[in-house]
Amino acid sequence: AQRVTQPEKLLSVFKGAPVELKCNYSYSGSPELFWYVQYSRQRLQLLLRHISRESIKGFTADLNKGETSFHLKKPFAQEEDSAMYYCALLQETSGSRLTFGEGTQLTVNP
Amino acid sequence: NAGVTQTPKFRILKIGQSMTLQCAQDMNHNYMYWYRQDPGMGLKLIYYSVGAGITDKGEVPNGYNVSRSTTEDFPLRLELAAPSQTSVYFCASIKAGANVLTFGAGSRLTVL
Repeated sequence: AQRVTQPEKLLSVFKGAPVELKCNYSYSGSPELFWYVQYSRQRLQLLLRHISRESIKGFTADLNKGETSFHLKKPFAQEEDSAMYYCALLQETSGSRLTFGEGTQLTVNP
Repeated sequence: NAGVTQTPKFRILKIGQSMTLQCAQDMNHNYMYWYRQDPGMGLKLIYYSVGAGITDKGEVPNGYNVSRSTTEDFPLRLELAAPSQTSVYFCASIKAGANVLTFGAGSRLTVL
């Protein structure tokens, strides 16, 4: 069965510090992974996906199949990055279902 | 273009009451989903639908029912509300062949 694990429920850093939100997965097929973000009082929205290999709002994430990880990184955190972050794995069989991790609440302190 | 619209935004229920959470999308998306969000638990899939007339169970379907009579609407029904169903419920949709979900704003339900 597929599974997504985010080991840190809470993460607190100071503005300007590097930040890394961890995500590990288990999946028997070829994984397609995403990071979704939920800012305070807003709906969930896509932050980035591994197939795009893009940087969004300074965040990047690299898929490491050997370590089955998809960690989210940003070299210099900003206060506006404070949010709940969810790692998600796409199940490509019937219904394109996403399996979400438990979420990491990131707080960036001034 | 409204995207995914959920109603109500907030609701308090007594144990044993029933209610329906409404979800509508105007993007002609084939697939629709209901998730519940609990602190420290992430989002868990309750039910999903790949098209009108077709629904299937997700990870946590017990205590819920759904229907999909049209492409646009995907209501979630709670028949006998229990305190364990206190949660934030999110509806989402996606076009077949795409892989990015569009979420609604959420419905916060409290069962007392």
